[in-house]
Amino acid sequence: DQQVKQNSPSLSVQEGRISILNCDYTNSMFDYFLWYKKYPAEGPTFLISISSIKDKNEDGRFTVFLNKSAKHLSLHIVPSQPGDSAVYFCAASAFNAGGTSYGKLTFGQGTILTVHP
Amino acid sequence: DSGVTQTPKHLITATGQRVTLRCSPRSGDLSVYWYQQSLDQGLQFLIQYYNGEERAKGNILERFSAQQFPDLHSELNLSSLELGDSALYFCASSASSGGLETQYFGPGTRLLVL
Repeated sequence: DQQVKQNSPSLSVQEGRISILNCDYTNSMFDYFLWYKKYPAEGPTFLISISSIKDKNEDGRFTVFLNKSAKHLSLHIVPSQPGDSAVYFCAASAFNAGGTSYGKLTFGQGTILTVHP
Repeated sequence: DSGVTQTPKHLITATGQRVTLRCSPRSGDLSVYWYQQSLDQGLQFLIQYYNGEERAKGNILERFSAQQFPDLHSELNLSSLELGDSALYFCASSASSGGLETQYFGPGTRLLVL
């Protein structure tokens, strides 16, 4: 039962253009969402987050949009740079889901982003 | 650099053996989380400790156990190792008990069971 899904295994974008990474979730208890970037042989690096009371959060070149009714979030990177090439993970947590998943992050399978010069 | 440290970086061992992975959280963080990343399963939550006590449990095998010490570092013990336990093990930390908080990840320990 995959509660967080990233349906695109890979995305290729030209430098300077927009990268849009998508994520869908099924658990309506999720109320905090995060995006992580990961290089091979390194741990995930936190990029940006959004709580369920917001529909948009922006940090520099990164913007996350949340559509609660569609249970969908997306990460926009503008402009994309070759250094952005990495695996991007969407993750979600539920503040209180019966006391059994407090703090637990549920991850999607990741999307490999390649930004071409 | 997230501020979370993990040792060792690599570990090669044989089936049936026991290993201990160590994690030091960011300064001031009270929660430590353990995740497993295998090729076919992605990143899976194993267990969370908050200020020395177990807080939440995921799909952690009975052969695995963890603890958090008074200085807040944590150890993940893996015993009776099987080939399928080969994976990347990540530790993360957060400021408080979890929920609406960002978790910061360490560089991981790559375990290979032969």
